[in-house]
Amino acid sequence: QVTLRESGPALVRPTQTLTLTCSFSGFSLTTSEMSIGWIRQPPGKALEWLAVIDWENYDYFTPSLKSRLTISKDTSKNQVLLTMANMDPVDTATYYCARGRGSGSYYFDTWGRGILVTVSS
Amino acid sequence: DIVLTQSPDSLAVSLGERATINCKSSQSILYNPKNKNYLAWYQQRPGQPPKLLIYWASTRESGVPDRFSGSGSGTDFTLTISSLQPEDVASYYCQQYYNTPHTFGQGTRLEIK
Repeated sequence: QVTLRESGPALVRPTQTLTLTCSFSGFSLTTSEMSIGWIRQPPGKALEWLAVIDWENYDYFTPSLKSRLTISKDTSKNQVLLTMANMDPVDTATYYCARGRGSGSYYFDTWGRGILVTVSS
Repeated sequence: DIVLTQSPDSLAVSLGERATINCKSSQSILYNPKNKNYLAWYQQRPGQPPKLLIYWASTRESGVPDRFSGSGSGTDFTLTISSLQPEDVASYYCQQYYNTPHTFGQGTRLEIK
């Protein structure tokens, strides 16, 4: 059974750096055509694709946030980390990690429950 | 970035009736060498994470009821629910995975009339 779970702080101060962890089980990120992506959703709004890291360690970012984002993986721990620098109240959202299938192009077949991150002083 | 525009923004359909949601891409997401459209559909029930329904524009994910179907090619796509059930009340999103960033549509909220 494939499962993913996001963890991290529920509250972040403006200008701080957010670090989120996606812990997963039921598959390996060393398997071909596997990836982990991060997607966020502000309250009451649409989904926004943020970043992906794949089995070959290629990473992709949404251009508008690329300067603020890093993504990395620890295959021994089955974890993927996302950091977002210089947080602002507009970054308040539920952050999801999800498993991607495909090679270079990924749709997400399994999602975590998400973590609500509030940016406030 | 590829922009996906869904229509309508919201939709109310009677139980047992057909629901149709459209997704239009700002550029073709058909990869001709593979003859595949790089489009997925997701369902998001209130308070839940999204759930994959359809990928490659028309391939139903395992376990998804066959009342859900996807169609279209190039720039115009449709998600159809053939006979609306109470558990289908949700928001629906299309996503292109042709080019990064793999953008989502703005969503369509489906309710019972």
